[in-house]
Amino acid sequence: QVQLVESGGGLVQPGGSLKLSCAASGFSFSDYFMIWIRQAPGKGLEWVSHISSSGLTTYYTDSVKGRFTISRDNTKKSLFLQMNSLRADDTAVYYCARDQVRLDYWGQGIMVTVSS
Amino acid sequence: QSVLTQPPSASGTPGQRVTISCSGSSSNIGPNPVNWYQQVPGQAPKLLIYINNQRPSGVPDRFSGSKSGTSASLAISGLQSDDEADYYCAAWDDSLNAGVFGGGTKLTVL
Repeated sequence: QVQLVESGGGLVQPGGSLKLSCAASGFSFSDYFMIWIRQAPGKGLEWVSHISSSGLTTYYTDSVKGRFTISRDNTKKSLFLQMNSLRADDTAVYYCARDQVRLDYWGQGIMVTVSS
Repeated sequence: QSVLTQPPSASGTPGQRVTISCSGSSSNIGPNPVNWYQQVPGQAPKLLIYINNQRPSGVPDRFSGSKSGTSASLAISGLQSDDEADYYCAAWDDSLNAGVFGGGTKLTVL
């Protein structure tokens, strides 16, 4: 069965860095766009970044451009989000999800808290 | 400020039918299919409806979706207490070249 498992979250000070990982299993990872979506406490869903199946095409929402970098390793069936210069408003649960058209499978989410 | 517009709340009594609307534009819902997600508090969102009106396996036929022009709707018939959740619409946006979400609708079963 399809599984997506995020890791790497936690508490970080403003200006700090974190790298999120998403381990995929149960499907042909290299065939799918992958997406990072976040949800701030008590708020709605926000499309943060996506990467094409080959890794050649990426997208970032304006608020994270220049600070976040999405990448993937198809040989290891893994998706990554390097987050630098973190700000308080980056505090959220971060989800990885499969397929930019359907978002048919989501991970369980990982909490990132930016606070001093 | 979400790109897609949903009512913040909806409610109904058990057995009733409720609908949740999602309004977009000519760059998102107009040319592209709409998906709906159900999020129970503390859990990840779950795909409920895809490509406007298709249900993934396991989703009851009490849930249905429709789209007309730049708007879409989710209908839930035979409302049950465990339908209480947040519901989000989403679509691809051709101007942004990214997906966009509605702000979410909190459904309360009275």
